[in-house]
Amino acid sequence: AQSVTQLDSQVPVFEEAPVELRCNYSSSVSVYLFWYVQYPNQGLQLLLKYLSGSTLVESINGFEAEFNKSQTSFHLRKPSVHISDTAEYFCAVRDTGGFKTIFGAGTRLFVKA
Amino acid sequence: NAGVTQTPKFQVLKTGQSMTLQCAQDMNHEYMSWYRQDPGMGLRLIHYSVGAGITDQGEVPNGYNVSRSTTEDFPLRLLSAAPSQTSVYFCASSYRTATEAFFGQGTRLTVV
Repeated sequence: AQSVTQLDSQVPVFEEAPVELRCNYSSSVSVYLFWYVQYPNQGLQLLLKYLSGSTLVESINGFEAEFNKSQTSFHLRKPSVHISDTAEYFCAVRDTGGFKTIFGAGTRLFVKA
Repeated sequence: NAGVTQTPKFQVLKTGQSMTLQCAQDMNHEYMSWYRQDPGMGLRLIHYSVGAGITDQGEVPNGYNVSRSTTEDFPLRLLSAAPSQTSVYFCASSYRTATEAFFGQGTRLTVV
């Protein structure tokens, strides 16, 4: 069975500092990987995804994540965060031939002025 | 562009009552899912459907039923509500396995 582990439940960081949100997954087959963001009282929305090809994927608002197959990781990074990045971030995995998406427990990013 | 629409947004039930959470999508997506979100536990999959007439269980299916009579609709039924079902429920849909899921705004359910 697949599982996703987000290693930090909360990450406080100062504005303009770099941040890394860690995600490890377990699966016996090939996977697609996703990062979703949830702002307060809203549903989840896609931040970025890895399907195939280049292991480094980027979002339009400066986040990036790198797929590391040997370490089964998909960590999310941003070199300089803004107050508006304060949200909860979820890592998710889906088998390439499957239908179910499994989510991690989430990491709450809190950006301080 | 309605996307994924969930109703109601908020609901309070008494223990033992039944209700249906509605979910509709207008994107002609094949796949639809129901998740519950609880603090510190992320999103857990309740049931999912890969097309009209086809449903399957997720990680936490007990106490919930689903059906998929049309591509657009995927209602979630609570047969006899329990306090342990107090949660925020999200419906999601996606076009294919390689594409991202689109989420509704959620239904906050409290069972007293």
